[in-house]
Amino acid sequence: QVQLVQSGAEVKKPGASVKVSCKASGYTFTGYYMHWVRQAPGQGLEWMGWINPNSGGTNYAQKFQGRVTMTRDTSISTAYMELSRLRSDDTAVYYCARDLGIKSSGWPDYWGQGTLVTVSS
Amino acid sequence: AIQMTQSPSSLSASVGDRVTITCRASQGIRNDLGWYQQKPGKAPKLLIYAASSLQSGVPSRFSGSGSGTDFTLTISSLQPEDFATYYCLQDYNSYTFGQGTKLEIK
Repeated sequence: QVQLVQSGAEVKKPGASVKVSCKASGYTFTGYYMHWVRQAPGQGLEWMGWINPNSGGTNYAQKFQGRVTMTRDTSISTAYMELSRLRSDDTAVYYCARDLGIKSSGWPDYWGQGTLVTVSS
Repeated sequence: AIQMTQSPSSLSASVGDRVTITCRASQGIRNDLGWYQQKPGKAPKLLIYAASSLQSGVPSRFSGSGSGTDFTLTISSLQPEDFATYYCLQDYNSYTFGQGTKLEIK
């Protein structure tokens, strides 16, 4: 069965960076795009970008360009999302989510459990 | 950027009711739309993709329709486990979620 297991909660100071990992199992890691989505407390969902684990190609939401970096390590079936220059409004639960796979990049389907990132001085 | 406007933002209904949630895109997005259900403290769950295709394992009381700019998610007969927040997501040009519709018990 498809499983995505994310790294644990983080507390960071403003201006720092955070790197969240997402370990995949139960499917061919390089066969499906991986999305990252975040949700601030009590707020809606916000798409951040995706990575093609096969090629390493990425597509970031305009809002995060220049601050987000998505990478992968195919040897351990793990995707990473690093967000830099953190601000208090980056406090959110960050999700990785595997693409449905019916087209090259489509809808996030299987989701990780989420990683709470708290930015506070 | 494409804006997605959901309505209503909240909705009270009873078990057995038929419920419709609407999502409007700021420009045409063909049928590049999905619907998600999210319960408190949980990750979202994909219900519908390509506007009207039911994701595997999702009960048939959920259905989606629409194309272009106007889309609907319909729950034909509400069950207790359906009370949650629902989001639409376009993937026609980048990705944009709607702001969500909270479905509460009347």
